[in-house]
Amino acid sequence: NAGVMQNPRHLVRRRGQEARLRCSPMKGHSHVYWYRQLPEEGLKFMVYLQKENIIDESGMPKERFSAEFPKEGPSILRIQQVVRGDSAAYFCASSPHTGGGTDTQYFGPGTRLTVL
Amino acid sequence: SQKIEQNSEALNIQEGKTATLTCNYTNYSPAYLQWYRQDPGRGPVFLLLIRENEKEKRKERLKVTFDTTLKQSLFHITASQPADSATYLCALRSGYNKLIFGAGTRLAVHP
Repeated sequence: NAGVMQNPRHLVRRRGQEARLRCSPMKGHSHVYWYRQLPEEGLKFMVYLQKENIIDESGMPKERFSAEFPKEGPSILRIQQVVRGDSAAYFCASSPHTGGGTDTQYFGPGTRLTVL
Repeated sequence: SQKIEQNSEALNIQEGKTATLTCNYTNYSPAYLQWYRQDPGRGPVFLLLIRENEKEKRKERLKVTFDTTLKQSLFHITASQPADSATYLCALRSGYNKLIFGAGTRLAVHP
């Protein structure tokens, strides 16, 4: 049973370009979360999605960032017009829908974004 | 505002000893608390979850306690090994299902 998959693992962009990060959840998981980790800092929640729905985007910057989880295919985190401050590790996590309120989140290996 | 604090200083211990890591939180009443391990350049790996009505949880050499009065969780690794060297993250659930993470404590186990 493959774990959470993210690609690319490393992404280099120049200022002003767009970055697209992909996440395929674990088989059977219908909930996806994105977190950002800046160097020497803890993980910060960005957004929580279910298929075709954004449930909580309270951690997403208001400008330039967007996320989706379509009916088919991976979840995408999109950053438009990247700036140097966007350089970080972006982690995706997924969880099953158990309804018990204690869904454990399983993390992918992360995408390390470097903005030149 | 909600705050989670973990000891930012690295914890250095000798192989075979018990490592104890602390997680304190304020302005929050979580239904459960989780501990993760993170190695350099990798994603967090889930270790243990403890609910608010549980005092203690064990898994092999790991033990977690949860004191909702003190607003504190302790994470213990007994008979520590160099392979246990990593950063350990404490996380609380907030809102629908998002996790609020502490900054983590780096553990180094020396042979």
